Amino acid sequence: QKEVEQNSGPLSVPEGAIASLNCTYSDRGSQSFFWYRQYSGKSPELIMFIYSNGDKEDGRFTAQLNKASQYVSLLIRDSQPSDSATYLCAVNANNQGGKLIFGQGTELSVKP
Amino acid sequence: DGGITQSPKYLFRKEGQNVTLSCEQNLNHDAMYWYRQDPGQGLRLIYYSQIVNDFQKGDIAEGYSVSREKKESFPLTVTSAQKNPTAFYLCASVRTGVGTDTQYFGPGTRLTVL
Repeated sequence: QKEVEQNSGPLSVPEGAIASLNCTYSDRGSQSFFWYRQYSGKSPELIMFIYSNGDKEDGRFTAQLNKASQYVSLLIRDSQPSDSATYLCAVNANNQGGKLIFGQGTELSVKP
Repeated sequence: DGGITQSPKYLFRKEGQNVTLSCEQNLNHDAMYWYRQDPGQGLRLIYYSQIVNDFQKGDIAEGYSVSREKKESFPLTVTSAQKNPTAFYLCASVRTGVGTDTQYFGPGTRLTVL
């Protein structure tokens, strides 16, 4: 079992719809969870981080964490073509400083 | 401006050559990381350093070497022992501590073996 798993996609949604990106992780001791966006040919940029169970909202983005189910998700409301990118889920490696474990990423395509 | 810089942006290597990728940060971050990304793949950790003069191997350290002589700098050398080095290399830094373990990335170096 991979430590951090994401559906590779591509996930295609129409403009204005809600895009839902999902991630599961295997280490129950993980405390910090991150979503990065990566445009083709560019480096990842941080969108959101979440530490506590529940929802965290920032503009059109909502991160959801359920530690009991070892599940973290990212919702993008009112999706725009500019949201088309690969979204990487990352989870901290328990007791290993700032080391992160990355999923393979989900490619999102928002169609006008 | 504060940030992480990587150079060069593009690098071409001949078979049997060693090449060094630069990573510099002026964010006063303690820890620095090197990742490799292959097409359609996630990030794989090569080496990381949490303090000056100390570093640890990541998941794919074979064929790579690093140094951390200054807090601001963490260069990566891709040696001739790395048989398939063509990839996108990303450097990241983080200020360690409770609630501050967010990693920020440099722009990356794309290495191609000729």
